Formats: sequence, C-alpha cells, structure tokens
Amino acid sequence: GAVVSQHPSRVICKSGTSVKIECRSLDFQATTMFWYRQFPKQSLMLMATSNEGSKATYEQGVEKDKFLINHASLTLSTLTVTSAHPEDSSFYICSAPRRGNREAFFGQGTRLTVV
Amino acid sequence: GQNIDQPTEMTATEGAIVQINCTYQTSGFNGLFWYQQHAGEAPTFLSYNVLDGLEEKGRFSSFLSRSKGYSYLLLKELQMKDSASYLCAAVDSNYQLIWGAGTKLIIKP
Repeated sequence: GAVVSQHPSRVICKSGTSVKIECRSLDFQATTMFWYRQFPKQSLMLMATSNEGSKATYEQGVEKDKFLINHASLTLSTLTVTSAHPEDSSFYICSAPRRGNREAFFGQGTRLTVV
Repeated sequence: GQNIDQPTEMTATEGAIVQINCTYQTSGFNGLFWYQQHAGEAPTFLSYNVLDGLEEKGRFSSFLSRSKGYSYLLLKELQMKDSASYLCAAVDSNYQLIWGAGTKLIIKP
C-alpha cells in the first residue's frame, strides 16, 4: 500500500533554533498533505493543510510565520518550526489522504523536544 | 460545529470483549475511521466505514449508523498488546479528518 515517510522521527533542539520536518509520499502523488500536532494524552489537532503549488491553509490559532509549510512537489511537503520554544515540544504527524481511497496514510511522526 | 465524542478511558480483561463507542457531528460525511495508537507512535489504520452496518476484520469489527451519527469498534479476544488509545475520526465534506480525543484502553490480566 501507499507509504508516507516522515523524517526525522526524533529531534532535540535548543530554544530559538529552527527545525525542519519532511514528509514524503513514496508511491503516490500527494496533492494535499495534512499536518497535525499531538500533545500528550490529547487527540491529533490539525495545524494546517498544504496543497502542492499553493499556499498552505492554517487552522485558527496556528501562527503561519512560525510554522512554515512548503509543498513544492507532489511527493514532498515540509514543516519548519521557526524560533522554537519549549512549548512547541510535541508530536508532529503528517497525513496524505487520497480521495476515493479508504485510508489516510500517516507518516511515522516526529517527536520534537525543545530545550 | 464539528464534534466527535468517545469515552476517555476503558478497562477490560484479557480474553474478553470490549466495545468503544463514538458519536459524531460533521459538515457532510465521507466515512469514519478507527485508528490504534500506542504511546509515542503514529496512529495505525484499523477500519473505515462509509455504509451502514458491521464490518468484521479478524478480532476487530467496526459498526456505523449514519442516521444516528454513531459508530463503535468491537475488539474480541483481547490481548495485552491491545492496550492502546483508539481514535475515532470522521471525514467531512472536504475530506478532512475530524478527530476524537481517543479512548485509552487498559487491558488487565
């Protein structure tokens, strides 16, 4: 089946630095990629929707200048957490749903820890 | 608004059966997913229902009633490895997933 590869799986960074998370669709073209964040013991919260070749759509309360999303090709979407702070520490997951397909394919997730 | 409700936590005994309920309200409806998530890992797909009725897949079954906005996940012959969170997610008219908060299932010997 389709696979979405997310990298890195874990990252620890210093406060104030930036971190880039990549999400690749390995055997299908993902025109849309959803980016989620999950805090401990909470559900997945949609942060933004990236569309290939256009600007991402951000959910209310998500700072677009802090969470930069780029979807430059049909197989790659990236999320960059800029000027990271400890409160940005979370589990970030990408998902590439396919219309007409029964599954929304998830990346492996990225555990971000900002110290 | 869009909303998904499911119990926060459930406890069951190894070898038994447990049913996890989920009710939803969405703008449009294009199906409902159940995912399993172990701590610190990404969700893994369990089932997808878009038509009313019961779909069985091994020890897991999922049921949907579109008229009632209701679904359940049925787990039989529980094993210790089934201890996890179970997430219910409805697909709205824009094909976005609306997620429940998840049900933490604790299996006791």
